[in-house]
Amino acid sequence: DVKVTQSSRYLVKRTGEKVFLECVQDMDHENMFWYRQDPGLGLRLIYFSYDVKMKEKGDIPEGYSVSREKKERFSLILESASTNQTSMYLCASGTSMGQGTYGYTFGSGTRLTVV
Amino acid sequence: AQSVTQLDSQVPVFEEAPVELRCNYSSSVSVYLFWYVQYPNQGLQLLLKYLSGSTLVKGINGFEAEFNKSQTSFHLRKPSVHISDTAEYFCAVSAYSGGGADGLTFGKGTHLIIQP
Repeated sequence: DVKVTQSSRYLVKRTGEKVFLECVQDMDHENMFWYRQDPGLGLRLIYFSYDVKMKEKGDIPEGYSVSREKKERFSLILESASTNQTSMYLCASGTSMGQGTYGYTFGSGTRLTVV
Repeated sequence: AQSVTQLDSQVPVFEEAPVELRCNYSSSVSVYLFWYVQYPNQGLQLLLKYLSGSTLVKGINGFEAEFNKSQTSFHLRKPSVHISDTAEYFCAVSAYSGGGADGLTFGKGTHLIIQP
C-alpha cells in the first residue's frame, strides 16, 4: 500500500514563526497536495504539485508557499504563522491516468496550533 | 470548476438501520467521484470510487454508492450500520483541467452518528 508520512502529528508554534510541514510518499506518485481541514468548512486545497519543482495554487494559497525538490517530498511553508492558520493540515499523493485523478492516499494529518 | 454539496452535515442513525449519505456535484466536464471516511484523529481513507462503467460501485466495509449522471448525484449507502461506522464522510470530485491533474474538490462532510 502507498504510504504518505507527515513528519509531525501535533505542532505548537508562535505567531510570526516560519513553519515547515513535511510530507513524504513512497509510491512514486507524480501528484501531491496540501489541504487544510476546519470544522464546518471541510477540506480546502492550499497548493498542489504534479511534478518536481512544479506547483499550482489551490483555493486558499494566501500565507502559504510550497517546495517540491524531490518527487517523494512536498513541503508546506507558513512564512509567518498567524493564529488563523491554526488547523489540521492533510497531505495527499496520487497518480493520474488519462483524464482526472484516480483518488488519493492521505497522510494522518498535522494538527498545528499557532499561539 | 467543479463543486460538491453534501446536503446533511450530520446524520444520526440507530445501529443496524440502513443509511444514505447524500452527495451532489456540479461540473462542466466529465468527473471521477469518490467517497472518503475519516475516523477521529486520523487521515482520510478511500471508501470507494467511480471512474467509469457500472454506475453502482461497491466499496469497503459494506458501503456502496450509485452514480446518477442525470441527477448529478453520488449517494452513499449501507444496508445495516454498526457502531464502528461512526465517522466523518466526505464526497469528492476530480475533473481534468487540461493543464494537469487538479486536486480533488471535497464536500464539507457528513458526520454519521450511530446510536445504540
